[in-house]
Amino acid sequence: EAGVTQFPSHSVIEKGQTVTLRCDPISGHDNLYWYRRVMGKEIKFLLHFVKESKQDESGMPNNRFLAERTGGTYSTLKVQPAELEDSGVYFCASSPDRTTNTEAFFGQGTRLTVV
Amino acid sequence: GDSVTQMEGPVTLSEEAFLTINCTYTATGYPSLFWYVQYPGEGLQLLLKATKADDKGSNKGFEATYRKETTSFHLEKGSVQVSDSAVYFCALSDRGGATNKLIFGTGTLLAVQP
Repeated sequence: EAGVTQFPSHSVIEKGQTVTLRCDPISGHDNLYWYRRVMGKEIKFLLHFVKESKQDESGMPNNRFLAERTGGTYSTLKVQPAELEDSGVYFCASSPDRTTNTEAFFGQGTRLTVV
Repeated sequence: GDSVTQMEGPVTLSEEAFLTINCTYTATGYPSLFWYVQYPGEGLQLLLKATKADDKGSNKGFEATYRKETTSFHLEKGSVQVSDSAVYFCALSDRGGATNKLIFGTGTLLAVQP
């Protein structure tokens, strides 16, 4: 069974440009999470989808970040326009059922560098 | 709000040494506690977890006990190997919350030398 897959693995963009990160969760997982680790600090929650609906987006830093999950399958996280402080590693995770407190499975992350 | 504090790294040990990585937490509810590991070039993997007080999680020779009285979940291993070199993250999840999201510590880099 395929795990959580993230594209691209690395992205280097200039300040002011747009970048779109993609996450393909494990098939059948209703819950999808985005997290970010900036400059070796803690991994911080960004948002949570249940199927195609945003359950919690309290961690989204500002309105330059837009997350979507079309049809409850894959998800995209767009940063527009990118700023230097957006650099970091963006992780995606999925889990099948929140109510059973099952493990969240993480992707390898996308390393974003804004120059 | 809820938070996790873990010891600063890097931690450098010789092979077969004893490992302890301290982790304490602050939570208003009754969280589940986790240790995640990120090996070089890979994603985060769940190493072990504990869902209630006094539970002990264990995996691959690593152990951690959920101590409610000291709000701690320290990671230990009796004899580390070079292959254990990785970044270790302590995390909690508020089971009563709407999202079941994870709250992580800053991570501790472990380097094991032969």
